[in-house]
Amino acid sequence: AQTVTQSQPEMSVQEAETVTLSCTYDTSENNYYLFWYKQPPSRQMILVIRQEAYKQQNATENRFSVNFQKAAKSFSLKISDSQLGDTAMYFCAFMKHAGDNAGNMLTFGGGTRLMVKP
Amino acid sequence: DSGVTQTPKHLITATGQRVTLRCSPRSGDLSVYWYQQSLDQGLQFLIQYYNGEERAKGNILERFSAQQFPDLHSELNLSSLELGDSALYFCASRYPLSFANTGELFFGEGSRLTVL
Repeated sequence: AQTVTQSQPEMSVQEAETVTLSCTYDTSENNYYLFWYKQPPSRQMILVIRQEAYKQQNATENRFSVNFQKAAKSFSLKISDSQLGDTAMYFCAFMKHAGDNAGNMLTFGGGTRLMVKP
Repeated sequence: DSGVTQTPKHLITATGQRVTLRCSPRSGDLSVYWYQQSLDQGLQFLIQYYNGEERAKGNILERFSAQQFPDLHSELNLSSLELGDSALYFCASRYPLSFANTGELFFGEGSRLTVL
């Protein structure tokens, strides 16, 4: 079974600054996907960024980027130029690569609550 | 808007009662997932369906059951409700894997269940 660990329950950052959220995972799989989801106060789950394990290049989406270290099983999220709207709970998640009709689930970490301060 | 529709958005009921939560996946998505999120907790996987058949099961209580219908909508049935069942229940769907799609889950807005 896979496990995902987020060691920072809460973090804060000043507006316009950069913050990094940590995530580690444990798996025996070689091919898998990693995701960061954001859950703002509205409680909607929003995909922030995704990374395929077979890709060495780190994914980026505008102000969001990841540092994927496969050997270390680490997947951190960096938010640059933090904005007030980035205030949310952030969840790291893991899914093994499997066929469409295979049993497969997205395993979440416990989350990191990020507060962006003006 | 993720394209995943969940009803009802809010539900208040009493202990011992039974409720049904409904989910309509995005057009073209064959996989449906159910997750439970208790207050200030992470998301716990309950069950997955693919094209009408159960594919994976998490720590779903025996009092809970689900199914996916031929039109691909899904229902989560919660019975003999207890106070501890109060939570946000998410449905998510996933587009078939392809070169252009890594199969991420798209979540509905959730159904907030309060058991009094």
